[in-house]
Amino acid sequence: DVKVTQSSRYLVKRTGEKVFLECVQDMDHENMFWYRQDPGLGLRLIYFSYDVKMKEKGDIPEGYSVSREKKERFSLILESASTNQTSMYLCASSLLRGNSYNEQFFGPGTRLTVL
Amino acid sequence: ILNVEQSPQSLHVQEGDSTNFTCSFPSSNFYALHWYRWETAKSPEALFVMTLNGDEKKKGRISATLNTKEGYSYLYIKGSQPEDSATYLCAHYNTDKLIFGTGTRLQVFP
Repeated sequence: DVKVTQSSRYLVKRTGEKVFLECVQDMDHENMFWYRQDPGLGLRLIYFSYDVKMKEKGDIPEGYSVSREKKERFSLILESASTNQTSMYLCASSLLRGNSYNEQFFGPGTRLTVL
Repeated sequence: ILNVEQSPQSLHVQEGDSTNFTCSFPSSNFYALHWYRWETAKSPEALFVMTLNGDEKKKGRISATLNTKEGYSYLYIKGSQPEDSATYLCAHYNTDKLIFGTGTRLQVFP
């Protein structure tokens, strides 16, 4: 079974702090994604990556950056956390770039609260 | 952003009732339509990936149909059970990424 793990289930940070959210997948997937989920807005894509050191902006990249130094690990970075970044963050992975048929496998999510 | 819309937003049914939801998506440049189930406190899990117009897929009591020409997909649940309670998400594939709808939240009461 594919496993996608995220470093924390719950996280509380203060405004202005630098926040790292880590995601690891164990099935050699090429693609990795970061989403945030807010009530009434569904899953919105922040950034994705289809290869090591490659990154692509999603629909809401402002205020975030990402890092993919190893194939299995994709990190989401909030350079200076703000209260409007309080949300549920979900990481996902899928097998091959450009393959519309590949389902995405999701991690358990990190609920981040910024005070 | 190409909009994916789902209806209804939420649904409450009695155990044993059959139900269905709708997902509408842009019909031009279609590649694939995904359905996911997201249970509370768990991760979203794929139900179906559909690529061909007229596709019909089934998994137990859950089935889905696809009309790519008019841009919609239906998800059906026959004889709903309390364990079917979840948010059902559809997503349209577009250039290496999925565009998700806001989901239909289903609650099945015993």
